[in-house]
Amino acid sequence: GESVGLHLPTLSVQEGDNSIINCAYSNSASDYFIWYKQESGKGPQFIIDIRSNMDKRQGQRVTVLLNKTVKHLSLQIAATQPGDSAVYFCAENIPSGTYKYIFGTGTRLKVLA
Amino acid sequence: DAGVIQSPRHEVTEMGQEVTLRCKPISGHNSLFWYRQTMMRGLELLIYFNNNVPIDDSGMPEDRFSAKMPNASFSTLKIQPSEPRDSAVYFCASSPGASAYNEQFFGPGTRLTVL
Repeated sequence: GESVGLHLPTLSVQEGDNSIINCAYSNSASDYFIWYKQESGKGPQFIIDIRSNMDKRQGQRVTVLLNKTVKHLSLQIAATQPGDSAVYFCAENIPSGTYKYIFGTGTRLKVLA
Repeated sequence: DAGVIQSPRHEVTEMGQEVTLRCKPISGHNSLFWYRQTMMRGLELLIYFNNNVPIDDSGMPEDRFSAKMPNASFSTLKIQPSEPRDSAVYFCASSPGASAYNEQFFGPGTRLTVL
């Protein structure tokens, strides 16, 4: 099926443990960030977003942390489940009067039973 | 509710042939995006429409690529002539608003292979 690629960094996590996926973004002017999940054979799916005026945002089992000083974004997944296995990537929006999403290359999350 | 619908899901063609990819956005969404995903370059925005009007096509690789949105429920991405380097997964996404802060909903993609 459709997938990002075979040479992505991989994070292997035991079922039930917490996962932390990191992303370094490129532009200090970026004002909005999104985490996507992409399962094999499917399109990217929105997980959670955060604006640049925030440091942390929580969803259901997911938390996004933003560190603007070092241009770093992380996604934390609590109590990782087999259904969380997918490729995760971040996107940043560069304010330009139009859409200007820059997508990261992604991290493959493998959940071990 | 049906999500974004793309067709075909898989397309294999020979170099030089014309390829047309189709997309039906979610009803009521007024922004539509075409993306290309490859191993080497990841996910790239090719073009997006708002209210059926192309707003930014700076991501379209070259003149061989063209996109249309004749009405609010249909868009096409055409490659003519196709080349092997066009092989990728092409995604269509739609969004309920014109703001960059609106969630985009992606279709399942079309895997294009150009031999």
